[in-house]
Amino acid sequence: AQSVAQPEDQVNVAEGNPLTVKCTYSVSGNPYLFWYVQYPNRGLQFLLKYITGDNLVKGSYGFEAEFNKSQTSFHLKKPSALVSDSALYFCAVDQGGKLIFGQGTELSVKP
Amino acid sequence: DARVTQTPRHKVTEMGQEVTMRCQPILGHNTVFWYRQTMMQGLELLAYFRNRAPLDDSGMPKDRFSAEMPDATLATLKIQPSEPRDSAVYFCASGLPRNTIYFGEGSWLTVV
Repeated sequence: AQSVAQPEDQVNVAEGNPLTVKCTYSVSGNPYLFWYVQYPNRGLQFLLKYITGDNLVKGSYGFEAEFNKSQTSFHLKKPSALVSDSALYFCAVDQGGKLIFGQGTELSVKP
Repeated sequence: DARVTQTPRHKVTEMGQEVTMRCQPILGHNTVFWYRQTMMQGLELLAYFRNRAPLDDSGMPKDRFSAEMPDATLATLKIQPSEPRDSAVYFCASGLPRNTIYFGEGSWLTVV
């Protein structure tokens, strides 16, 4: 079965510094991978996805993710973090038409 | 601005009562999902439908939960009888096969 793992429960970053939120996947075949963000008391919002093609995917709010097949990773990145990026981030993989989510990573950006 | 609409946004109910949550998917989306979010379990897929037909409800406790799509504009999730352990946020999401899915704002359920 397809799955994703987010090895860090929490990531702390200073405003202006680059941020990385990690995700590794376990799939058979070519993975469809997604990142979502959840702000407090809100639903999940789509950030970006990898289906095929370029390994570097650009998404909303200045986020990007790099698909690395050899390391089975799909890490979320941003060159310069904002305090407003503080939220819960979820990696997800398509498993036969349904999305299976990781446990989530709490990102905290301090001024 | 198309969005998934869920009602109620908040519900407090007593143990043993029936709870019905409703979802209006985005027009044109033929796949509808129900997820449950708790601190302990994270995001769990309860059930999902394609073209109104249930495809997978293996994540749903069958004895008390039921999910239906009476028509293409309405999905329902029912709990009867409700228990305190059902307290969670229930999300509906819709999309097209093997593509991005879009979430509603959730139904926050507290069973006392």
